[in-house]
Amino acid sequence: GDSVTQMEGPVTLSEEAFLTINCTYTATGYPSLFWYVQYPGEGLQLLLKATKADDKGSNKGFEATYRKETTSFHLEKGSVQVSDSAVYFCALSPYNNNDMRFGAGTRLTVKP
Amino acid sequence: DAGVIQSPRHEVTEMGQEVTLRCKPISGHDYLFWYRQTMMRGLELLIYFNNNVPIDDSGMPEDRFSAKMPNASFSTLKIQPSEPRDSAVYFCASSGTGATDTQYFGPGTRLTVL
Repeated sequence: GDSVTQMEGPVTLSEEAFLTINCTYTATGYPSLFWYVQYPGEGLQLLLKATKADDKGSNKGFEATYRKETTSFHLEKGSVQVSDSAVYFCALSPYNNNDMRFGAGTRLTVKP
Repeated sequence: DAGVIQSPRHEVTEMGQEVTLRCKPISGHDYLFWYRQTMMRGLELLIYFNNNVPIDDSGMPEDRFSAKMPNASFSTLKIQPSEPRDSAVYFCASSGTGATDTQYFGPGTRLTVL
């Protein structure tokens, strides 16, 4: 079935470092792709999404591009802040379906 | 809007007891999702509703789990009887037009079954 695989954490970076969290997917058809973020003690929040190939989702300095040729949706940010410390989840929703499949999550810690 | 509301925030119970988790979605949202989050299995979709009707319950782990949505502003997830392996954080989320729309998550209910 459809699924996502994201890089295992934890990831620890210094403030202003460049961030990449890898995510690849397996799906039939054309799924929608998402990045959600979870801060301690809270529910998930949508960070960005892309619904078709070559779309770029962006929000709060984070970006991810839907790459069908490499079945990837890697999350990037040019300069992380301490406040970006959280768990990041890659997810997909299969085409024409309201199911949601989440990756295992990657914990990011940013140190000052 | 207050966002998605879940209650209780924490629940500790003993094996064999019935547990009921509650969710109030955002007003006007047509879709409601129940998820379970554990260290071992990550975040799993259990069931979702569209306009109060259960559409896909293939993620419900077994017959001990049941979910209802009697009206547009309230849903329950019930476990009867509960078992220690049911210990997890249970999230409710709602969205306007389905999974591809932004899902708004509640704060979760942390369930511990002793």
